[in-house]
This record gives sequence, C-alpha cells and structure tokens, in this order.
Amino acid sequence: DGGITQSPKYLFRKEGQNVTLSCEQNLNHDAMYWYRQDPGQGLRLIYYSQIVNDFQKGDIAEGYSVSREKKESFPLTVTSAQKNPTAFYLCASSRTGQNQPQHFGDGTRLSIL
Amino acid sequence: AQSVSQHNHHVILSEAASLELGCNYSYGGTVNLFWYVQYPGQHLQLLLKYFSGDPLVKGIKGFEAEFIKSKFSFNLRKPSVQWSDTAEYFCAVMGSYNTDKLIFGTGTRLQVFP
Repeated sequence: DGGITQSPKYLFRKEGQNVTLSCEQNLNHDAMYWYRQDPGQGLRLIYYSQIVNDFQKGDIAEGYSVSREKKESFPLTVTSAQKNPTAFYLCASSRTGQNQPQHFGDGTRLSIL
Repeated sequence: AQSVSQHNHHVILSEAASLELGCNYSYGGTVNLFWYVQYPGQHLQLLLKYFSGDPLVKGIKGFEAEFIKSKFSFNLRKPSVQWSDTAEYFCAVMGSYNTDKLIFGTGTRLQVFP
C-alpha cells in the first residue's frame, strides 16, 4: 500500500539532546512537509520541501532542521534550541502544482523527560 | 494576514442530530479549501476539498461543505451524525497559485453520544 510512514510513534528526549524524526513516503510525491500540532492551535508548518535537495522554512522553523537527500525521505531534527519541543509532529506529502491535497502520516509524539 | 478561523472549538451532539461546523478564512486571491478529519488514534484524512466549480462539494461519509465566496466561508455539514463521527475536524486553505502552504484552523472537536 502507498502511504507515509513516520517513526517512531512515541519519542522521549532529555533536555539538551537533539532528536530526529523519520518520515518516508512511497507515493512518488515531490513535495513533503512537517507540521507541529498542539492542543487548541491546530497544525503549524515547520519546514517544507518541493524538490530534492531544497527546502524552505515554514512559520515556526526556529529550533528545527531538515534535509531532503532523497525524494522518499524528509527527516526532521528537533534541536536543543527548540524551547518547547513537546508536541505531536505530522509529516505530509503531495504532488506539486495546483489542486493537490496533502496526505498525512500517523504522527510522532515527542515528549521531554 | 492569511488565516483560518474555526469558531466552534468543541461540539457535543447526540446521534441523528444535524451538524454544521463553521470555517472562515482570510486570504487574498483565489483559494483551494479543505476539510480534514482526525479520528482518535488515526492520521489526518482528507474529508473533502473545493478547487473550483460547484460551490457545494460532497465528501466521504455523507459530509458536505459549501463555499460562499462573499462570506469567505466553507462550513462543513452533515444532516445526521453517527457515533463514529467523533473526531477532530480541521479546515484548511491554500492559495490556488501558491501551493506551498496549507494554512490550518485550530480544529473543532466533535463528540457524538449514542
């Protein structure tokens, strides 16, 4: 089945540590996205990438970094500079161009110990 | 500024009641509009979308939404809800020609009791 796989489902991190969230898609989509979901705030865009080896900051990129070395993969690193990293992180992908909905993974819940 | 506003944060209904969830957006230019649903423990799924044409769009599971351009609204409706509709619902907007960013509302949590 085609889809988006995020791993792990739950992740715990000590303060001061970097942690990387995985996102893989086999939908042959060019565009990939990372969102953060907090209660009462909906989804906010962290980073997105329209093509391999290129990515742009979203609305809340501070404290995060990404890479896009392969079309299928768009890992997100939550760095120690992110002041409030506890959240639910969602990865999405889509075809590029007009009228293309985004498809979402199951998410990773990150908690700080 | 581009934004999406969902007025109802938490809605509680009995089965067979009618549902309408409000969504208003602020965006300069033509838009694509979406409703996504997140069932408990599941990923976000596309419920329905509007790109152009008939402003009344029908989605999965008996949901529909009407795009009213003059009111900048895209309200979600269902004539008779079921317990299985319990979920969180998100309205989202994307510029028709700026397809980089999907802007989400804060979500509406719907609880349906038997």
